[in-house]
Amino acid sequence: SQTIHQWPATLVQPVGSPLSLECTVEGTSNPNLYWYRQAAGRGLQLLFYSVGIGQISSEVPQNLSASRPQDRQFILSSKKLLLSDSGFYLCAWSTGTTYEQYFGPGTRLTVT
Amino acid sequence: AQSVTQLDSQVPVFEEAPVELRCNYSSSVSVYLFWYVQYPNQGLQLLLKYLSGSTLVKGINGFEAEFNKSQTSFHLRKPSVHISDTAEYFCAVSDQGAQKLVFGQGTRLTINP
Repeated sequence: SQTIHQWPATLVQPVGSPLSLECTVEGTSNPNLYWYRQAAGRGLQLLFYSVGIGQISSEVPQNLSASRPQDRQFILSSKKLLLSDSGFYLCAWSTGTTYEQYFGPGTRLTVT
Repeated sequence: AQSVTQLDSQVPVFEEAPVELRCNYSSSVSVYLFWYVQYPNQGLQLLLKYLSGSTLVKGINGFEAEFNKSQTSFHLRKPSVHISDTAEYFCAVSDQGAQKLVFGQGTRLTINP
């Protein structure tokens, strides 16, 4: 069966520090991968998605970036965090042939 | 572009009462529709999906939803809720051929004893 992992589970970072969040999927190959952000009390905002290695689509211009160095690995990065980057970050995957997405457990990021 | 509107941001109900969470989407030729549930500090879990076929879709935890093409709605229902159903519920839609889901803003379901 397929599983999706995210780490770290929680992170507290000062403003201006770098960020790296990692997401990996097991049990499937060539998945579509997604990064979402969920601000407190708000819905999901799609940040990036990828349909293959090295293929990244950005949905919202901001100081975040994403990379997909391996088929089942998706990384969210920032060179300098802003207070507004605080939130709950969710990674998800889909097969690309069916439409439902499956979500990881999330990373709670607090920028201080 | 698709959009999804969840008409209620919060729905309080008593335990064992029925509940309906409403979802409307912008019209499109073909859509696939989903309901997800999110418990506090967790990721989203797929409750049910409509891809084609019967307009009444049954999901996990006793939930069901009905696809209504003429009203562009996909409302979620449960005949008798439990305390454990307290969570945030998200409706989502995908255009055929698109690789993305568009989510509603969520409905917080609170069950009172």
